[in-house]
Amino acid sequence: EPEVTQTPSHQVTQMGQEVILRCVPISNHLYFYWYRQILGQKVEFLVSFYNNEISEKSEIFDDQFSVERPDGSNFTLKIRSTKLEDSAMYFCASSVPQGLGGEETQYFGPGTRLLVL
Amino acid sequence: AQSVTQLDSHVSVSEGTPVLLRCNYSSSYSPSLFWYVQHPNKGLQLLLKYTSAATLVKGINGFEAEFKKSETSFHLTKPSAHMSDAAEYFCVVSGGGSQGNLIFGKGTKLSVKP
Repeated sequence: EPEVTQTPSHQVTQMGQEVILRCVPISNHLYFYWYRQILGQKVEFLVSFYNNEISEKSEIFDDQFSVERPDGSNFTLKIRSTKLEDSAMYFCASSVPQGLGGEETQYFGPGTRLLVL
Repeated sequence: AQSVTQLDSHVSVSEGTPVLLRCNYSSSYSPSLFWYVQHPNKGLQLLLKYTSAATLVKGINGFEAEFKKSETSFHLTKPSAHMSDAAEYFCVVSGGGSQGNLIFGKGTKLSVKP
């Protein structure tokens, strides 16, 4: 069964450093998402991406964050200058648009645990 | 605005006994509702979903949930718990739009005692 994959599984970085989290969505999916879960808190939506542009983003997704689909298979989340409060589990998800005979179910990857020191 | 409330942060059951994980939602329109499960050190796996078809939804691993509009509830049940069901369970509502973001509940940690 196809699945969303994410790399790395764990990343430790120093405050102020840039990090790039990578995701490979399910191959026929067209919508891509990033969520995060700070330890002990809810899973929170960050951003959705469709047709090579951001379709929706939350208040959390400020100028420090960016997303990109550089090569047609990977979907990346970049944090330009990490802060301590960026420490969290980051989940990537993908889905097929309803209008193309798909459904809105989002399929999640295993997550990347980011620790900012 | 859409929201979801999971009434219990932790539920503990004995193996072989029924499981009930409670969820109430708030939505300004007919919602899509989901239950996801997260096993330790694993990703979020879809258990089941409600998208305005049958109100009783069957999912994987023997779980099911019933959409009750009058009670704004979407409780998750299983007749007989198995040790492998120990995990964290998230009730989720679609945030809106045809491909909206998902809004998660705080999660319920299910423990299963032998």
